[in-house]
Amino acid sequence: QVQLQESGPGLVKPSQTLSLTCTVSGGSISSGSFYWSWIRQPAGKGLEWIGRFSTSGSSNYNPSLKSRVTMSLDTSKNQFSLKLSAVTAADTAVYYCARETYYDILTGSWTNWYDPWGQGTLVTVSS
Amino acid sequence: QSALPQPASVSGSPGQSITISCTGTSSDVGSYNLVSWYQQHPGKAPKLLIYEVTKRPSGVSNRFSGSKSGNTASLTISGLQAEDEADYYCCSYATGSTLLFGGGTKLTVL
Repeated sequence: QVQLQESGPGLVKPSQTLSLTCTVSGGSISSGSFYWSWIRQPAGKGLEWIGRFSTSGSSNYNPSLKSRVTMSLDTSKNQFSLKLSAVTAADTAVYYCARETYYDILTGSWTNWYDPWGQGTLVTVSS
Repeated sequence: QSALPQPASVSGSPGQSITISCTGTSSDVGSYNLVSWYQQHPGKAPKLLIYEVTKRPSGVSNRFSGSKSGNTASLTISGLQAEDEADYYCCSYATGSTLLFGGGTKLTVL
């Protein structure tokens, strides 16, 4: 079964760029009707959708973060990545990577769900 | 982008049923049958419970069910069990090809 694992620095200084990678195992990042997504959760708060990227190059981002977010895929490494620039303390959160299914091949219809998820990685923005 | 409003907390006794609401607008919940629900235990990643408003993935108990009326989606948990105590989040596809999560609801099993 497909598994996701986030990796990257746990501490980033204010104004710098947060960089995270999600490694996909048990399946190819290039196959299927999926978006590869990032979602974050500040401590004690709810989930916030950051954005998504597909192997076709299609991408969508949270309008509130769009100017600072870059996402990309590395199919040779079966990985996808997130870069968030000009970080502040408000960007401190657990960051999750997740696979979003957007088309159900069994029913031939558009759909939307997140599964699986990575275990999450805490990124703290502090000097 | 604001989170979809959910009640901050709900509670119920073992065996009872509870319902968690997720209030959207005509730009998200009201226009698309693309609402999903997730369960999150402390320190764990969210787990998919419901997708496309009412569908349950394989392996999810039939005690979990979803519905939608107008701009409001709902998750019902019947036959409450101690292990259901967790945070619950709705998620909806929204106009502009974005996704919105709910603010989350903490379920306490008394």
